[in-house]
Amino acid sequence: SQQGEEDPQALSIQEGENATMNCSYKTSINNLQWYRQNSGRGLVHLILIRSNEREKHSGRLRVTLDTSKKSSSLLITASRAADTASYFCATGYRGQAGTALIFGKGTTLSVSS
Amino acid sequence: NAGVTQTPKFQVLKTGQSMTLQCAQDMNHNSMYWYRQDPGMGLRLIYYSASEGTTDKGEVPNGYNVSRLNKREFSLRLESAAPSQTSVYFCASSEDRSGSYEQYFGPGTRLTVT
Repeated sequence: SQQGEEDPQALSIQEGENATMNCSYKTSINNLQWYRQNSGRGLVHLILIRSNEREKHSGRLRVTLDTSKKSSSLLITASRAADTASYFCATGYRGQAGTALIFGKGTTLSVSS
Repeated sequence: NAGVTQTPKFQVLKTGQSMTLQCAQDMNHNSMYWYRQDPGMGLRLIYYSASEGTTDKGEVPNGYNVSRLNKREFSLRLESAAPSQTSVYFCASSEDRSGSYEQYFGPGTRLTVT
């Protein structure tokens, strides 16, 4: 089963507003990553936060990690129409051949002007 | 750099037909991955390869086989396609196998099985 679960499934906001997406996961992690997918395209990496970090910033993105609650949040400040996309969290999956990423089902963000 | 390339972009198969999805990366990455994406299901890992010569199953490997031909190329084969394999398939690569590095994705292959 999938490791991460995003919440909400869908989010609609106006340009200029902040968007917050949450991710919960099941097992202990070394790091957690967030990705964006524009409609019909491949995923693009946004940010990686390690298990010993609590908060990380990248431009208008702010990610928090609470390992005690097994949860992470992605905040996009001052949203723009171009932020319209699906956002996925991903955590590590350790198999015999090394570690792969397991993705959640995603949050679909719509930003209207 | 082209990054991660996938061929074909679109494919329609009849039930029972076979085909191979091709993936190549030019970033000298060690690890490569195959995912499928279905509406409402997010991405699910099919197979991955941490290095040339090694592969391992992911969440949904049934009905698929893979070949890590060399460091650059990782192919996914459907031996006998079924309608349940209708999906968008993404290939990805990353620098190492620890999971600590970002993955780079290809543009996807849209497969329909009738």
